[in-house]
Amino acid sequence: KAGVTQTPRYLIKTRGQQVTLSCSPISGHRSVSWYQQTPGQGLQFLFEYFSETQRNKGNFPGRFSGRQFSNSRSEMNVSTLELGDSALYLCASRPPQVSGANVLTFGAGSRLTVL
Amino acid sequence: AQSVTQLDSHVSVSEGTPVLLRCNYSSSYSPSLFWYVQHPNKGLQLLLKYTSAATLVKGINGFEAEFKKSETSFHLTKPSAHMSDAAEYFCVVTGGSQGNLIFGKGTKLSVKP
Repeated sequence: KAGVTQTPRYLIKTRGQQVTLSCSPISGHRSVSWYQQTPGQGLQFLFEYFSETQRNKGNFPGRFSGRQFSNSRSEMNVSTLELGDSALYLCASRPPQVSGANVLTFGAGSRLTVL
Repeated sequence: AQSVTQLDSHVSVSEGTPVLLRCNYSSSYSPSLFWYVQHPNKGLQLLLKYTSAATLVKGINGFEAEFKKSETSFHLTKPSAHMSDAAEYFCVVTGGSQGNLIFGKGTKLSVKP
């Protein structure tokens, strides 16, 4: 079956702009998590959505937001971009709790460069 | 609070020699632990997981890890390195009450011919 799909794979923005990233989870997975990966900070948890509700949130400013649609697809948005937002943004989905708790399957990521 | 420490940021081995990537964890309850691998320009792939069953966990591509509660360690090993093993490896522990994952800083594995 198809894996986790993230679009776009690469994008370049300038400071002050906003960006929207998309993630389609594995079919049947209702939980979608987002992570930011940078060389300095490593992998940091942004937020998790389940059934269109944000279930958990990491320690990021309000410029970072997300949502999930009824088909489980998720988007994350970063407004007023800063140079430090340059990163690989990874999306992951996981199966229902009873069949594989906490095992995340990751997409290939969206690499954002802010100039 | 849960945390994970990968003791080496970079490990270099020769092809055919053993691999040891070290990970220590801290958890206030019985944790789930994982190893993920990331090849260049790729997402993360699950290598193996520990969820309180057998302490020796076998994963894909010949990797295995042993959960040692007394040492709070979950080191990743492989008897014989292959060139295709060159990648970055992340040790991961389950985090807060909602189960989000906490990642180590990663260990970059280089394999010399």
